[in-house]
Amino acid sequence: QQQVKQSPQSLIVQKGGISIINCAYENTAFDYFPWYQQFPGKGPALLIAIRPDVSEKKEGRFTISFNKSAKQFSLHIMDSQPGDSATYFCAVVSGGYQKVTFGTGTKLQVIP
Amino acid sequence: DAGITQSPRHKVTETGTPVTLRCHQTENHRYMYWYRQDPGHGLRLIHYSYGVKDTDKGEVSDGYSVSRSKTEDFLLTLESATSSQTSVYFCAISDPGRGGTTGELFFGEGSRLTVL
Repeated sequence: QQQVKQSPQSLIVQKGGISIINCAYENTAFDYFPWYQQFPGKGPALLIAIRPDVSEKKEGRFTISFNKSAKQFSLHIMDSQPGDSATYFCAVVSGGYQKVTFGTGTKLQVIP
Repeated sequence: DAGITQSPRHKVTETGTPVTLRCHQTENHRYMYWYRQDPGHGLRLIHYSYGVKDTDKGEVSDGYSVSRSKTEDFLLTLESATSSQTSVYFCAISDPGRGGTTGELFFGEGSRLTVL
């Protein structure tokens, strides 16, 4: 079952622009909503995460917006840079064993 | 980088042969996970472990088994490999009891398996 739906599948943004990636989830039994970043040939790494009782979290150029009633959350990358070119995964976390369920990923390319 | 080593990093095998992938960690984290990554599917959880000899199934566990006899090692076994198991396999660790961010997994570099 696909608990997390992510879009778009791929995204091309010009340097300095805003990159926006969206995710929707299907039930409410999640404790945390992280975003992971993955560079080619590497494992994913945590980028930023938000709790369900917070509507927005900002860390540098990265912001998560969270809409609990709509069961949606999004990642905004401001002033996108070529070094941000990577695959981004949204995820949901549930349970005492930190089971993390990932979205299908968005391949971001930032062109100069 | 978190001390996670996956081996082998690359393997080509034939259908029907057994394959074991090893994940070794030096962080003494309680939880360990095996994910597979495939285009269009993201990362999917195969099995996870919440302690020595304590394991449970993830969403795509059919055809896979795991073992954890020591805190630092988590083995993933394909008893009889099939072409549908061609994938990149990632091991991950976490330990929320140490503080840090809930839901933070630390990943290894991946093991690319090709089943012919």
